[in-house]
Amino acid sequence: AQKITQTQPGMFVQEKEAVTLDCTYDTSDQSYGLFWYKQPSSGEMIFLIYQGSYDEQNATEGRYSLNFQKARKSANLVISASQLGDSAMYFCAMRGVTSGTYKYIFGTGTRLKVLA
Amino acid sequence: DAGVIQSPRHEVTEMGQEVTLRCKPISGHNSLFWYRQTMMRGLELLIYFNNNVPIDDSGMPEDRFSAKMPNASFSTLKIQPSEPRDSAVYFCASSWTSGGVDNEQFFGPGTRLTVL
Repeated sequence: AQKITQTQPGMFVQEKEAVTLDCTYDTSDQSYGLFWYKQPSSGEMIFLIYQGSYDEQNATEGRYSLNFQKARKSANLVISASQLGDSAMYFCAMRGVTSGTYKYIFGTGTRLKVLA
Repeated sequence: DAGVIQSPRHEVTEMGQEVTLRCKPISGHNSLFWYRQTMMRGLELLIYFNNNVPIDDSGMPEDRFSAKMPNASFSTLKIQPSEPRDSAVYFCASSWTSGGVDNEQFFGPGTRLTVL
């Protein structure tokens, strides 16, 4: 069975500091995709970054980077130079395959609070 | 592009009533997803369509839930009869999916459903 685990229900970070949000996954698929989404208090879901299982380089998108450690099955999100607007819920998600059908699952999320 | 459009944004209904949620995906996207988000269960994929065909409906909670996608620009999620435990935020998302290539999902603003 496929599973996404986010063990940090809540995190605090000082403005301008970097923060790492943890995500581990479990899958027996050879090919899969990993995503991070941000959900501000307003409720919308915003795509941040993607990592494919065959990508050798860690994905980066501006201040966001994904620390992908395939052997450890982890895909941690690193936010550099935190801003107050980064305060939100962050979800790790995975696209896998089960019986030839794509499966999409989300973790339980980590609530990040950036302190001024 | 206007993004994914959902209607209504808020729905309050009484137990036993039929509820229909509507979604217009981003033009050109060929995959459409319905999610439900609650505090207790997090974000759950209910069903997704590819090229208007339901691919995986294993997340649909029970027979009271049904989803249709009559064409590439419109989908509905129907609950009949509704129950208080169906109260949640329902998101629709769309993406372009092709040959194993992952693309991010673009989420609509959600419909907040309250069943009294």
